[in-house]
Amino acid sequence: AQSVSQHNHHVILSEAASLELGCNYSYGGTVNLFWYVQYPGQHLQLLLKYFSGDPLVKGIKGFEAEFIKSKFSFNLRKPSVQWSDTAEYFCAVNARSGYSTLTFGKGTMLLVSP
Amino acid sequence: EAGVVQSPRYKIIEKKQPVAFWCNPISGHNTLYWYRQNLGQGPELLIRYENEEAVDDSQLPKDRFSAERLKGVDSTLKIQPAELGDSAVYLCASAPGQMNTEAFFGQGTRLTVV
Repeated sequence: AQSVSQHNHHVILSEAASLELGCNYSYGGTVNLFWYVQYPGQHLQLLLKYFSGDPLVKGIKGFEAEFIKSKFSFNLRKPSVQWSDTAEYFCAVNARSGYSTLTFGKGTMLLVSP
Repeated sequence: EAGVVQSPRYKIIEKKQPVAFWCNPISGHNTLYWYRQNLGQGPELLIRYENEEAVDDSQLPKDRFSAERLKGVDSTLKIQPAELGDSAVYLCASAPGQMNTEAFFGQGTRLTVV
């Protein structure tokens, strides 16, 4: 079974600072990788996803993530955060072979101060 | 296109009482998930359906939790009897059922057991 580890539980940044949230997964086979975001009072929404191809994927709102297979990592980045990026961010993985359960990390709460 | 619809949004019950949650997935989505999310944690899988078949229920506490997905569309999750530790947000998500696709989440039901 796969598992996901997110390094930071809470991150506090000032507006315009750069962001990088760590995500590592554990699984012996090929995976699909996702970042979801949950804004206050809203449901989980997909930020970006990686299935195959270019390991650098771009998502909505200026976010990007890089899949590094050798490190089993899928870190989320944004060059300049905004106050509206305050939210909880979840990394998730499922196995690419066949139908597989989507497994989440514990999440990182990002607070951006204006 | 309508998203995943869950009801109720909030539920407060006394311990030992039964409770049920309902989920209507996105039309045409064969995969349906029920997750439980505790405060400050990531979603944890309770059960996954492919059409009407429960293909992953290894994390469902079967002594008190039950679920059904009649006709492979709507789903109901039941707890009987509820315990204080069941207080959490219960999330429903659906996916097209094909490989390499993301899950779409509903707003969740926030359960408080007193």
